[in-house]
Amino acid sequence: AQTVTQSQPEMSVQEAETVTLSCTYDTSESDYYLFWYKQPPSRQMILVIRQEAYKQQNATENRFSVNFQKAAKSFSLKISDSQLGDAAMYFCAYSWNSGNTPLVFGKGTRLSVIA
Amino acid sequence: EAGVTQFPSHSVIEKGQTVTLRCDPISGHDNLYWYRRVMGKEIKFLLHFVKESKQDESGMPNNRFLAERTGGTYSTLKVQPAELEDSGVYFCASSQRFNTETQYFGPGTRLLVL
Repeated sequence: AQTVTQSQPEMSVQEAETVTLSCTYDTSESDYYLFWYKQPPSRQMILVIRQEAYKQQNATENRFSVNFQKAAKSFSLKISDSQLGDAAMYFCAYSWNSGNTPLVFGKGTRLSVIA
Repeated sequence: EAGVTQFPSHSVIEKGQTVTLRCDPISGHDNLYWYRRVMGKEIKFLLHFVKESKQDESGMPNNRFLAERTGGTYSTLKVQPAELEDSGVYFCASSQRFNTETQYFGPGTRLLVL
């Protein structure tokens, strides 16, 4: 069975600094997708970034980037120039194949941003 | 374009009562998923609809949970009778028929069973 592990229940970062959230996963599949979702205190969960396993290039979305290490089954999220609005619960998730399959989530990392 | 909506946002009921949660997916999204997060645990998959058909219901905890998606639009998730361990946040997500790898989530329904 696929599993996703987020080993950091809580993290904090100073405003304008950089923080990295860790995620590891376990799968025997070769074709899959990885995601980082963000859930601010208002509760609406939104997609931050997505990585296709077949792509070697790390995904980037503005201040958010990932370090995807397929052999190590690691998928960390880097947030640069942290802003107060980045404070949220961050969930790492996995989806087998090309979709139409349920997401498997980690337990989440609560990120606090200190002004 | 409206996002995924869920109703109610909160529900407090007593053990043994019935509760029905509703999810309205993004218009045109054939795929609809239900997930649940129990306090301190991972978000867990419950079931998946493709239009009105149940594609995968392997995550449904037991037969006290009944999900429907009549007409392939909105979906309901009924818990009858509710037990204490059913407390948690119930999320709904939807995705397009094609380009299906991104799921868009609703705000969740926070259910507390006393």
